[in-house]
Amino acid sequence: EPEVTQTPSHQVTQMGQEVILRCVPISNHLYFYWYRQILGQKVEFLVSFYNNEISEKSEIFDDQFSVERPDGSNFTLKIRSTKLEDSAMYFCASSEAIAYEQYFGPGTRLTVT
Amino acid sequence: QKEVEQDPGPLSVPEGAIVSLNCTYSNSAFQYFMWYRQYSRKGPELLMYTYSSGNKEDGRFTAQVDKSSKYISLFIRDSQPSDSATYLCAINGVDSSYKLIFGSGTRLLVRP
Repeated sequence: EPEVTQTPSHQVTQMGQEVILRCVPISNHLYFYWYRQILGQKVEFLVSFYNNEISEKSEIFDDQFSVERPDGSNFTLKIRSTKLEDSAMYFCASSEAIAYEQYFGPGTRLTVT
Repeated sequence: QKEVEQDPGPLSVPEGAIVSLNCTYSNSAFQYFMWYRQYSRKGPELLMYTYSSGNKEDGRFTAQVDKSSKYISLFIRDSQPSDSATYLCAINGVDSSYKLIFGSGTRLLVRP
């Protein structure tokens, strides 16, 4: 069964460093998303991406965040200068079309020290 | 008012029990309703996806949507210890937005 994959599973970084989180969405899916979940809190939407453009973003997704689809399979989230409060689980999701089911990856646990 | 409200639990039931999990939402314009299961430190796993009032069944799981009351439910029949997880409701589909808005999750423990 096709699934969303994410790497790395755990990333530790120092405050102020740049990190890139990687995702491989399900192959025939066209819509891609990033969500995050701070420990003990709700899953929160960050950004959605379609046709090589951001289609929607939340207030959390400020100038220190960016997304890219560098090739036909990967979808990345870059955090330019990490802060302590960026520590969270980051989930990638994909869907076949708009308003279709969103399938989530296993997540990347980001720890900023 | 929060967009989606969900009782955090924990909910503890004996094996074989019928479990009822619920969420309420504030905006009647939401169109799509989902239930996800999340094991500790794992990604949300989609269980059910519905877009109309009424019931949808898949194996031991039944999702129920009452748009007039802005209330969604997930029923689990013959619950198993392996069902022990956090259950998240999620909604979307208002104002051309398809970002998922999640509830806080209900932690379920099924005792053997």
